[in-house]
Amino acid sequence: GENVEQHPSTLSVQEGDSAVIKCTYSDSASNYFPWYKQELGKGPQLIIDIRSNVGEKKDQRIAVTLNKTAKHFSLHITETQPEDSAVYFCAASKGYSSASKIIFGSGTRLSIRP
Amino acid sequence: NAGVTQTPKFQVLKTGQSMTLQCAQDMNHNSMYWYRQDPGMGLRLIYYSASEGTTDKGEVPNGYNVSRLNKREFSLRLESAAPSQTSVYFCASITGPSGETQYFGPGTRLLVL
Repeated sequence: GENVEQHPSTLSVQEGDSAVIKCTYSDSASNYFPWYKQELGKGPQLIIDIRSNVGEKKDQRIAVTLNKTAKHFSLHITETQPEDSAVYFCAASKGYSSASKIIFGSGTRLSIRP
Repeated sequence: NAGVTQTPKFQVLKTGQSMTLQCAQDMNHNSMYWYRQDPGMGLRLIYYSASEGTTDKGEVPNGYNVSRLNKREFSLRLESAAPSQTSVYFCASITGPSGETQYFGPGTRLLVL
């Protein structure tokens, strides 16, 4: 079945620097790739998503890129701030008809050093 | 809107005890989900309900049962808790034109001794 690998598991960057988290997926039929941010003691919250017909999407300081050929996608956070410290999850799915099969990566704990 | 709410926030059980985790959403979503989150393993789907009156197994359903009481509420029951069920449980519901954006509740932290 579908498998999503996420790296690194922990990441520490200096405030103001960029952070990159990478994920690979195994099922070439996957067409929807959301990213979630989970703060301590809270549920995951969607921060950005991308569909397979788009190679890149940007929303202010965060961006996601997708390489369908290589089956990997990445989250880029620029000008990092202390409030970016959290656990980030990538996920992959085949869309609404298979919403039950949203597969999550294992998470990346991002720490922003002041 | 309260979004997705879960009760209780925290629970301690002894092995063999039973309990029901409650979830409700006020966003008129059709689909609801139960996940468990364990360290280093991300979120794993336990059960889901694509619509009121239907439920289906996810990746890790053993030891759990669910009830989609109505469109708003989706409960998860542990009939005989085991230490392996110590985890954080999240409920989620789906919205959006293509129904893919999941909204998560705040979670229930369960400890089974």
